[in-house]
Amino acid sequence: EIVLTQSPATLSLSPGERATLSCRASQSVSSYLAWYQQKPGQAPRLLIYEASNRATGIPARFSGSGSGTDFTLIISSLEPEDFAVYYCQQCSSWPLTFGGGTKVEIK
Amino acid sequence: EVQLLESGGGLVQPGGSLRLSCAASGFTFSTNAMTWVRQVPGKGLEWVAGIGNSAEAYYAESVKGRFSISKDISKNTLYLQMNSLGAGDAAVYYCAKDLFRWSLDYWGQGTLVTVSS
Repeated sequence: EIVLTQSPATLSLSPGERATLSCRASQSVSSYLAWYQQKPGQAPRLLIYEASNRATGIPARFSGSGSGTDFTLIISSLEPEDFAVYYCQQCSSWPLTFGGGTKVEIK
Repeated sequence: EVQLLESGGGLVQPGGSLRLSCAASGFTFSTNAMTWVRQVPGKGLEWVAGIGNSAEAYYAESVKGRFSISKDISKNTLYLQMNSLGAGDAAVYYCAKDLFRWSLDYWGQGTLVTVSS
């Protein structure tokens, strides 16, 4: 089973700041990695698929990069609605797995 | 508009069974892969099971042999049959639609499963 390690666990930032979230896989997942955002009481929302492709309706301030074992989600300038928990998911091999999440909180 | 509506959650005794349903609309259900994901309230996401275009099924190790995923194309409904339930299975269960290679672009609102005597 591929283990995804997300860091940091919590990111304390102010609106307008840049957020950099990391996801590291225990073995290569090629580019088959997705990122999700989840707010309290809501289902997750797909942000990025195949490491760098924004899903429909996702603002350009969200960008994903990486391949192999190291991936990054960047939020270029945090909006108030971006404070949430972010998860990565590997879509490379069975069983599919999620990372433990990074909480982006208001500083 | 894509809609996914889960049902079937509730309270079940340890060792019991439950079948979750996910009614789908707004897309071609018959040719779309689907997934179940669960989440203990306040905790992270756990992938549970997936079913592909040709009805091939995949499971997390934690549920293999106890859970079964299936699709009824005539009813546009996804199912998750859960047997031998334990405390570790208590969670909100989400169904989700595949966009590309098991990345999940639409999710239901979730249904809560509680396992308790």
